[in-house]
Amino acid sequence: EVQLLESGGGLVQPGGSLRLSCAASGFTFSSYAMSWVRQAPGKGLEWVAGIRGSGGSSDYADSVKGRFTISRDNSNNTLYLQMNSLRAEDTAVYYCVKDLRALLSAIHDYWGQGTLVTVSS
Amino acid sequence: QSALTQPRSVSGSPGQSVTISCTGTSNDVGGYTYVSWYQQHPGKAPKLMIYDVTKRPSGVPDRFSGSKSGNTASLTISGLQAEDEADYYCSSYAGRYIAVFGTGTRVNVV
Repeated sequence: EVQLLESGGGLVQPGGSLRLSCAASGFTFSSYAMSWVRQAPGKGLEWVAGIRGSGGSSDYADSVKGRFTISRDNSNNTLYLQMNSLRAEDTAVYYCVKDLRALLSAIHDYWGQGTLVTVSS
Repeated sequence: QSALTQPRSVSGSPGQSVTISCTGTSNDVGGYTYVSWYQQHPGKAPKLMIYDVTKRPSGVPDRFSGSKSGNTASLTISGLQAEDEADYYCSSYAGRYIAVFGTGTRVNVV
C-alpha cells in the first residue's frame, strides 16, 4: 500500500524558514517523480514544485521560485521542501504527491494527508 | 504558469449528466496528453479520477469519463449520484518539470 506521510508544518513568522518532509513507502520511491502541491484555506490547488525520480532535475511555480527548494533522498525514501523567505500568502496545506511516471507527467496518483503551514506574526 | 480555467460550479439532479470544462493553452492542455482530473471532498485529500485525458484508475466508476479538444479538456459525470457532490480540479503537464491545476469546479447534486 502506497503511503505518503508529511511532517514539518507549523506556525512561522513572515520571512522565516521551514522544511517539510514526506516519508514514502509501499512503492519504489526512486522510480517516480514527486511533487508538492498546496491549498490555501478555502482556495484551489496550486502545484508548487516537482522533481524527477532520480533527482537532479526539478522545477518550480513562479510564485515560489528562488525561495523554495525541492529535494529527495532516494536512499531513505524521503521528499523534502525547504521553504525560505516565507510570506503570508504561503499559508496553506502542503501535500506530498506521487507522480504516475519517473519523469514528471503531472499525473498525481497518490496524495498524502497534508501538513498545514501558517505564516503569521 | 496561469491556472487553467474551469467553471465555478455546475449542478445536476441525480441520474443526470454534467460536464466540466478545463481551458488552457497550446503550452499545456493543447500540447500534451497528460491531462488529469481530481475529486476532492471537504477536508479530504484530492483523488485521481481520470488521467492521460481519458483513462480511469482502477476503482473509479465508469460514470466518469474524460475527453479533450484543442486547448479544452472535459470531465463528464453520467448518472450523477449524491456522493459525486465535491470539488473537481483538472491538471495538465506544462513542459519541463511543471504542472498546472485548474481553478476548480464545485459539483452540486440538487
